[in-house]
Amino acid sequence: LAKTTQPISMDSYEGQEVNITCSHNNIATNDYITWYQQFPSQGPRFIIQGYKTKVTNEVASLFIPADRKSSTLSLPRVSLSDTAVYYCLVMIYNQGGKLIFGQGTELSVKP
Amino acid sequence: NAGVTQTPKFQVLKTGQSMTLQCAQDMNHNSMYWYRQDPGMGLRLIYYSASEGTTDKGEVPNGYNVSRLNKREFSLRLESAAPSQTSVYFCASSEHKVSGDLRYGYTFGSGTRLTVV
Repeated sequence: LAKTTQPISMDSYEGQEVNITCSHNNIATNDYITWYQQFPSQGPRFIIQGYKTKVTNEVASLFIPADRKSSTLSLPRVSLSDTAVYYCLVMIYNQGGKLIFGQGTELSVKP
Repeated sequence: NAGVTQTPKFQVLKTGQSMTLQCAQDMNHNSMYWYRQDPGMGLRLIYYSASEGTTDKGEVPNGYNVSRLNKREFSLRLESAAPSQTSVYFCASSEHKVSGDLRYGYTFGSGTRLTVV
């Protein structure tokens, strides 16, 4: 199974752009890269998902290089409410789309 | 509101007792999942159901059983609870299918906080 590696924690300030990079060296051809956000005492919330190149939605952008061995989640102009744990995941497409979670990155946004 | 509903929200069990955690989704999703989350850790997959009528083991299935009752409902049963099963349990669903739209990912419930004493 593809394992992901991401920084354990990051600090930022309000209004800054935050980039969280994740490595997934063993990603399979049919698998997708997906990111989730989790606040304390809540279930994770889907942020964005992609296969290759760049994906953008109203919340974030996801950059995936051609070799797909890494990806970068970009959060534009973060606010205090973006303080959360961010999980980089590989969605295993041919096994019911199951997700295997790692430790995640604890992002702290300061005023 | 559409989403994933888990019951109960809180539960305290004595060692050896049994209970069933209920999960229901109203989004017509094909796939459903059960995870547990221990303090300071990420989520670990217990069981999943890729479609109605199928179930498969995840990373930590020992001590648990599941039932995909119909497309909406996926229950998790602890036959003989142990203190090691003290955790927060999350149910999730997704519309994952071979040729489906993958834009929306999983939808998680709000969790069941289980304490086994």
